Amino acid sequence: KNQVEQSPQSLIILEGKNCTLQCNYTVSPFSNLRWYKQDTGRGPVSLTIMTFSENTKSNGRYTATLDADTKQSSLHITASQLSDSASYICVVPEFGGSQGNLIFGKGTKLSVKP
Amino acid sequence: SQTIHQWPATLVQPVGSPLSLECTVEGTSNPNLYWYRQAAGRGLQLLFYSVGIGQISSEVPQNLSASRPQDRQFILSSKKLLLSDSGFYLCAYKGPLNTEAFFGQGTRLTVV
Repeated sequence: KNQVEQSPQSLIILEGKNCTLQCNYTVSPFSNLRWYKQDTGRGPVSLTIMTFSENTKSNGRYTATLDADTKQSSLHITASQLSDSASYICVVPEFGGSQGNLIFGKGTKLSVKP
Repeated sequence: SQTIHQWPATLVQPVGSPLSLECTVEGTSNPNLYWYRQAAGRGLQLLFYSVGIGQISSEVPQNLSASRPQDRQFILSSKKLLLSDSGFYLCAYKGPLNTEAFFGQGTRLTVV
């Protein structure tokens, strides 16, 4: 069964610190993986996409990695800010299956404290 | 540019009352449309998705239904709301050939 698992479920860090969020997937065939940021009470917004051939991609203070062999991705946040407090969701498209072709992880809720 | 509109933003309804949430998309044709529910502290649960007018796939048996009367319109309905229908409802779309989903701002539904 195609699944996307994220860890940790929640995380609390102090402002200015770094953190890393994990995503493991079993979706096959694999083409890409997206990380979304969801602020409380809002819809998720795409942060970055990792395709099969990419290992690392940065978007400001966010750096995503992908290991297609182990089917793992991580999202590293550097020098965290209070505005980084949100849920981060990993999404992998599924081809030829149900769920409308998108498999969502349950997300990691990040709280950045002053 | 592509945009998605979802309304209302918040809704308080009594148990047993009907529900109608509407979602419209602009700037794209033949999108895949989705309704998700997100309970407090939980992940996104896919309720319905549609790949075309009149085509609705239901992922979870429930008290809700969906309709797609027009290419860029997706409606979530219920004839009689239950307390357990409370939650945060999100509409989303993606183009048929890409993999990025774009979400509406969500509707916070409270059934009392």
